[in-house]
Amino acid sequence: AQSVTQPDIHITVSEGASLELRCNYSYGATPYLFWYVQSPGQGLQLLLKYFSGDTLVQGIKGFEAEFKRSQSSFNLRKPSVHWSDAAEYFCAVGASGGYNKLIFGAGTRLAVHP
Amino acid sequence: NAGVTQTPKFRVLKTGQSMTLLCAQDMNHEYMYWYRQDPGMGLRLIHYSVGEGTTAKGEVPDGYNVSRLKKQNFLLGLESAAPSQTSVYFCASTIRGQPQHFGDGTRLSIL
Repeated sequence: AQSVTQPDIHITVSEGASLELRCNYSYGATPYLFWYVQSPGQGLQLLLKYFSGDTLVQGIKGFEAEFKRSQSSFNLRKPSVHWSDAAEYFCAVGASGGYNKLIFGAGTRLAVHP
Repeated sequence: NAGVTQTPKFRVLKTGQSMTLLCAQDMNHEYMYWYRQDPGMGLRLIHYSVGEGTTAKGEVPDGYNVSRLKKQNFLLGLESAAPSQTSVYFCASTIRGQPQHFGDGTRLSIL
């Protein structure tokens, strides 16, 4: 069965520190992979996506993610976190065919200390 | 360009009442989706539609019905609301091979 695991429910970092949010997936075929961010009371905003090609993808707001097929992982990174990055982050996997249905992880809530 | 618009933003219902949530998109997207978001569980797909007049069940369809009479609108109905349906509901839309665009959500409480 398809699934997405985000092992860290909560993460706290200091402003200016580096960040890595983990995502592991289980999917039988070639996956599409996404990271979304959700600010309180808001909808989900796409940070970045991986469909094919270069396994290191760049997104908005200075985020990047690396697809590692051997580890079934798609971890999100940022070299220097800003206070405005405090939010909840969701990893999602979708089918490379079909109707773009997504399976979401449970999310990681990021807090940023000044 | 409003994107994906959900109506209403908040609603409180009593157990057994019915209501309809409306999702409207102005991007001419073929695919539309309804999710529910519960603490610690991420988003779970309720129903989806791949075109006008078509609907299909997602991961958690029980207790919900949907309709897509017009391409731009996707309605989610609760015929007899239950406290277990207290949640935040998100609508999304997209075209084939592209990421989904999300609305801002509807917060629904059932007493």
